[in-house]
Amino acid sequence: AQSVTQLDSHVSVSEGTPVLLRCNYSSSYSPSLFWYVQHPNKGLQLLLKYTSAATLVKGINGFEAEFKKSETSFHLTKPSAHMSDAAEYFCVVSDGSTDKLIFGTGTRLQVFP
Amino acid sequence: EPEVTQTPSHQVTQMGQEVILRCVPISNHLYFYWYRQILGQKVEFLVSFYNNEISEKSEIFDDQFSVERPDGSNFTLKIRSTKLEDSAMYFCASSPRQRLSGANVLTFGAGSRLTVL
Repeated sequence: AQSVTQLDSHVSVSEGTPVLLRCNYSSSYSPSLFWYVQHPNKGLQLLLKYTSAATLVKGINGFEAEFKKSETSFHLTKPSAHMSDAAEYFCVVSDGSTDKLIFGTGTRLQVFP
Repeated sequence: EPEVTQTPSHQVTQMGQEVILRCVPISNHLYFYWYRQILGQKVEFLVSFYNNEISEKSEIFDDQFSVERPDGSNFTLKIRSTKLEDSAMYFCASSPRQRLSGANVLTFGAGSRLTVL
């Protein structure tokens, strides 16, 4: 069975400082992993995805994530936070054998000036 | 950039009433999905739909729920007799291909918030 654990429900950073949002996964198959972001009153927007190519994945808005099989992790990072990064972030896994995406519980990122 | 459009953005209904949530997927997409998020809980898969048939559904998707593609553009989720526990944000999504790996990704709408009183 697949599952995703987002280790922090809330993360607060100052503008210009690094962002780290942590995600661990469990999957019986070779997983595809995604990060989605949800801004208030907006849909779920794809930030980046890992699909068994390069383990370091670059996404939109300066975000990137590294797939570490030995640690079953897919943490999301950004070198320098911007006020517009404040949102809810979801780590998502799919093994590709079903139609389902399995979502984590989400991490709310706050960015202070 | 193509978008998935959902209406209404917010609906308030009385328990026992029927509700229809509407979605306009991206025009060249063939696979359609509904997910929901109860306040404070995870986003959960409800159902996937292809070629006018349900291709997969979760245990949540019981006889009270149905989906339909009544014309070439809309994709609807009907809840026959709403319960208090149906209060949630409902997300529609679409994709050009079935399996969610490789280059295939879901595009989600902004959601429809359903409040059952």
